[in-house]
Amino acid sequence: SQQGEEDPQALSIQEGENATMNCSYKTSINNLQWYRQNSGRGLVHLILIRSNEREKHSGRLRVTLDTSKKSSSLLITASRAADTASYFCATDNNDMRFGAGTRLTVKP
Amino acid sequence: DTAVSQTPKYLVTQMGNDKSIKCEQNLGHDTMYWYKQDSKKFLKIMFSYNNKELIINETVPNRFSPKSPDKAHLNLHINSLELGDSAVYFCASSHQQGFHEQYFGPGTRLTVT
Repeated sequence: SQQGEEDPQALSIQEGENATMNCSYKTSINNLQWYRQNSGRGLVHLILIRSNEREKHSGRLRVTLDTSKKSSSLLITASRAADTASYFCATDNNDMRFGAGTRLTVKP
Repeated sequence: DTAVSQTPKYLVTQMGNDKSIKCEQNLGHDTMYWYKQDSKKFLKIMFSYNNKELIINETVPNRFSPKSPDKAHLNLHINSLELGDSAVYFCASSHQQGFHEQYFGPGTRLTVT
C-alpha cells in the first residue's frame, strides 16, 4: 500500500528561520495532505493540495506538489517555537496513508 | 464542544486482558477511523467505518474488533492483549471517505505489561 514518506526524519532550526520538509510517495494520488502533531496530541490538519495543483499557501505555510517526481514539500516561513511538532504527509488514493513524520524543533 | 473524543486517555493493563477504547465524534461525519501509532511515530490505519459499514480492514490481528453502535461512535475492542499492542491509538473522523481532511482525537496511550 502506498504512503507518504517524510524527509528529513528530524530537523532543528532557530526561531525566525524557514523550515522545509519533504514528502515522497509511490503511486498516483488524488490529493496530498499535511498534518501537524504536537507531542502527546492528535494530528491536526494543515493543508490539502489536489493533484492538479502545484502550490498552495496558508498563512506561513507553503506547500508544493510535483506529481512527476511524486513529491511534495512543506515550507514554514519565519518559524516560531510553537511550530515545534511532528509533521506528517498523507496521500490518498481512496484511503489515507501516513508516513512516519518529520520531527521539527524550533529553538527560541 | 470537543469534536472527536476518546476514553480513556491512558490505559495500563496486563497481557491477556480484554480492553476497550471508546470514540465519539459530534461533527456529523460519516466516516470514522482507528489508527495505531507505534514508538517510532509511524501512523498506521487499522479500520474505517462508513455509515456503520466496515470499508477498510488492514492486516491487523482479529483480536482487534471495531464496533459502531451508531454513526457518532466507533469503539475499539482488543482481546487477549499482547506486549506488542502497546502504542497510542487514535480515533479520527471525516465527512466522507476519500480526500477529506480528518479530525483526530487526542489519542489513547495503551501500555501492556
